[in-house]
Amino acid sequence: GEDVEQSLFLSVREGDSSVINCTYTDSSSTYLYWYKQEPGAGLQLLTYIFSNMDMKQDQRLTVLLNKKDKHLSLRIADTQTGDSAIYFCAESPSISNSGYALNFGKGTSLLVTP
Amino acid sequence: DGGITQSPKYLFRKEGQNVTLSCEQNLNHDAMYWYRQDPGQGLRLIYYSQIVNDFQKGDIAEGYSVSREKKESFPLTVTSAQKNPTAFYLCATRQGEELFFGSGTQLSVL
Repeated sequence: GEDVEQSLFLSVREGDSSVINCTYTDSSSTYLYWYKQEPGAGLQLLTYIFSNMDMKQDQRLTVLLNKKDKHLSLRIADTQTGDSAIYFCAESPSISNSGYALNFGKGTSLLVTP
Repeated sequence: DGGITQSPKYLFRKEGQNVTLSCEQNLNHDAMYWYRQDPGQGLRLIYYSQIVNDFQKGDIAEGYSVSREKKESFPLTVTSAQKNPTAFYLCATRQGEELFFGSGTQLSVL
């Protein structure tokens, strides 16, 4: 499948903002997603953005989409220790040859230090 | 994790043994998926099913098999042909544009 790229690791101090970046390859993706995974658990959907939008805000979370550069970011304001987890970026395929299964990046491990 | 139940939480496989991972949902979703997650890797699609009695191979189907006899259930069998089965297995369902995940099964080889 196509590659979704993310940096593997990010460390921030509690109270600071975190920005996790992602690049995707399918310019025709309809939706782009951010999922959170805590140790030994499944993935929790945080938010998603429709491809004709360039920003979406939901409480402490802000998603920015630059469709021209195929770049997606997730900003977490006032980061807390409970935000420490792995964050996955995902794209929905434009052509459904996999039952509309999402294509995931390798995940960014976010470590929040006191 | 909502209405998706994966069991068991931990599973051990002996050499040459087939094992089956359970995935049950009460969300009434038609589409179901199995993903494999290796440490430091993203999720890779094993099999998917868009409707009862139908399923399709994903990117890494070799050494795995599935069935979809009921809407609620999509079990995954890891066969002895899968030489590197140690991984975290995630089941998901889809409604509209959203994918919902179970809590996963960690499979290890004895």
